[in-house]
Amino acid sequence: EAGVAQSPRYKIIEKRQSVAFWCNPISGHATLYWYQQILGQGPKLLIQFQNNGVVDDSQLPKDRFSAERLKGVDSTLKIQPAKLEDSAVYLCASSGLGRIEAFFGQGTRLTVV
Amino acid sequence: DQQVKQNSPSLSVQEGRISILNCDYTNSMFDYFLWYKKYPAEGPTFLISISSIKDKNEDGRFTVFLNKSAKHLSLHIVPSQPGDSAVYFCAAAGGGGNKLTFGTGTQLKVEL
Repeated sequence: EAGVAQSPRYKIIEKRQSVAFWCNPISGHATLYWYQQILGQGPKLLIQFQNNGVVDDSQLPKDRFSAERLKGVDSTLKIQPAKLEDSAVYLCASSGLGRIEAFFGQGTRLTVV
Repeated sequence: DQQVKQNSPSLSVQEGRISILNCDYTNSMFDYFLWYKKYPAEGPTFLISISSIKDKNEDGRFTVFLNKSAKHLSLHIVPSQPGDSAVYFCAAAGGGGNKLTFGTGTQLKVEL
């Protein structure tokens, strides 16, 4: 069974530029999550989708971050414009319907300079 | 407000001995707890979980203990192996949802 796929693996951008990350969850997983992990901290949930609907986006900085999950499968997370404090690893995860155990992708390491 | 706390940033043990990683939580709504292992440049990997209706769950060398009254859980690894060297995250979910709240992690180093 293929795992969660994310791209790109690494991205370096200047502040005020925009960036997008892509995620393909495990086949059949209804729930998809985007987490932000800042160095030295645990992952923090940004947004949770069930199929293509948003379940929780309470910690998503909506003035600059946006996410979508078209057709209930792939998802993209966008930052526009980026700030220095957005430097982090962005992790995508998925879980089966009703399951709590989430399976993570390798993440995208974003550096904003 | 850190609802899940891992107060030991690092732990070093010898190969073959027991590793004990600790986690405390403050939110009484949490009723499901998980441990993840993370190697550098990889995403977290699910290791083991426990529901609040249990106080122990075992999977091979890994055992998780839950003390609800103390709001404390621990992960025991016996025997520890060099390949267990990684960052271990404790996570919790509850209130009917499956959103995970993570601790800050403990770096485990298993020495030969």
